[in-house]
Amino acid sequence: QITLKESGPTLVKPTQTLTLTCTFSGFSLSTSGVGVGWIRQPPGKALEWLALIYWNDDKRYSPSLKSRLTITKDTSKNQVVLTMTNMDPVDTATYYCAHRSYSSGSTWFDPWGQGTLVTVSS
Amino acid sequence: QSVLTQPPSASGTPGQRVTISCSGSSSNIGSNTVNWYQQLPGTAPKLLIYSNNQRPSGVPDRFSGSKSGTSASLAISGLQSEDEADYYCAAWDDSLNGLYVFGTGTKVTVL
Repeated sequence: QITLKESGPTLVKPTQTLTLTCTFSGFSLSTSGVGVGWIRQPPGKALEWLALIYWNDDKRYSPSLKSRLTITKDTSKNQVVLTMTNMDPVDTATYYCAHRSYSSGSTWFDPWGQGTLVTVSS
Repeated sequence: QSVLTQPPSASGTPGQRVTISCSGSSSNIGSNTVNWYQQLPGTAPKLLIYSNNQRPSGVPDRFSGSKSGTSASLAISGLQSEDEADYYCAAWDDSLNGLYVFGTGTKVTVL
C-alpha cells in the first residue's frame, strides 16, 4: 500500500522560503520509472502542478514557477523535498505530493497525500 | 494557470447521465493520454480515470472516459448523490521541457 504525507510550516511570511517534505512508504524512489510530484490548490481554486522528480533524479518544473522551485529526493529516507522561494500571499494554498504512476508512456498521479495548507501572511 | 478548459459546473438528478468536457491542444491532449481526478469536499483528489478510459480498481463502472483529437470527456451514468464533487481532467504537455497540466475543474451537483 502506497501512502504519502506532506509536512512543513502552516504559516510563512512574504519573501520567506517555503520548505515542504513529502514522506512516503510502499515504494522506492530508486525503482525505475517511479516519481513523486507536487501539486497545489489555492482555496476555492483549481489544481496546479508544480514539479516532478523521477527515480533517476530527472526533474520537471512548472514553467511559470521554475525560477522559484527546487525539488530534491532522499532515497534513503523515502522523502522528497520541495522548496519555493520568495513566497507571496498568492501562494497561499493546500500543497499535495503524489506518487507518479505510469504505463506505456502515460503519466498520472495516484495516490495523493492528504495535503497541507500553507498560508502566506505577515 | 490551467491549460485545459472545462465547464465550471454540471448537474443532474439521481440516475441521470452527466458528461463533462475537457478541451486542450495538440501539445497535451492531442499527444498524450488524459486522466481524470475526483475531489470530494474537503478531501485530496483521487484518481478516477487514467490513460483516457481506464478505471483504477475500486472505481465504479458508472464512470467512463473518452478522448478524441484534442478533447476528452468524462461521463457519469446513473448519477448518485455521492458523486457530488469537483472533477479535473489532466494530461502531460510536451511543450517546453514537459509539464503536467490540469483542467479548470467542474463542479458536479446532484439535484
